[in-house]
Amino acid sequence: DAMVIQNPRYQVTQFGKPVTLSCSQTLNHNVMYWYQQKSSQAPKLLFHYYDKDFNNEADTPDNFQSRRPNTSFCFLDIRSPGLGDAAMYLCATSREGRVNEKLFFGSGTQLSVL
Amino acid sequence: GDSVTQMEGPVTLSEEAFLTINCTYTATGYPSLFWYVQYPGEGLQLLLKATKADDKGSNKGFEATYRKETTSFHLEKGSVQVSDSAVYFCALSGPEAAGNKLTFGGGTRVLVKP
Repeated sequence: DAMVIQNPRYQVTQFGKPVTLSCSQTLNHNVMYWYQQKSSQAPKLLFHYYDKDFNNEADTPDNFQSRRPNTSFCFLDIRSPGLGDAAMYLCATSREGRVNEKLFFGSGTQLSVL
Repeated sequence: GDSVTQMEGPVTLSEEAFLTINCTYTATGYPSLFWYVQYPGEGLQLLLKATKADDKGSNKGFEATYRKETTSFHLEKGSVQVSDSAVYFCALSGPEAAGNKLTFGGGTRVLVKP
């Protein structure tokens, strides 16, 4: 049973056209993360929520925003996608965000920008 | 800042061969160390972890030992199967990190042939 669900699996958008990626979880975990993974590179953390507290990474572009309306759902909004934003976007959760906790990942959304 | 370096792939092996994937890290203090695996078409999932020096993580025949003196966490399996074909990511979570933010290596693709 999928516990972290990302939709859609593949998303195509046009240059400059806003796009939203979604993530839901059935684990009731407090922490939700968004990672960006470009081809053959390491996943890079964009931001995370601890409950409703938003934590942005220092080098995450302003073009990337996130919303967490409730415990189960988290959204990644890209306001004006550029060609360089084409990547796999991974959502993950952890129960309390402690250092040695396991992260649960979704299958990812592959974003293409035309 | 924290960083993880792992050997580049792809690594191609025959079934029942011995697998080693090297991983070294740079971090302040004593991080927790992880190996995550990504099977084709799926999200990342935790394979094993170690939280202090000399700890050995093990799962599904895979092992890795936390070596503080060499800042390494090499992954090994004595006899691989075709089903072990996947991308393997070494990662760390620094002791100062809030919210269990993982720093990943670039991933190593492993292909096991019958």
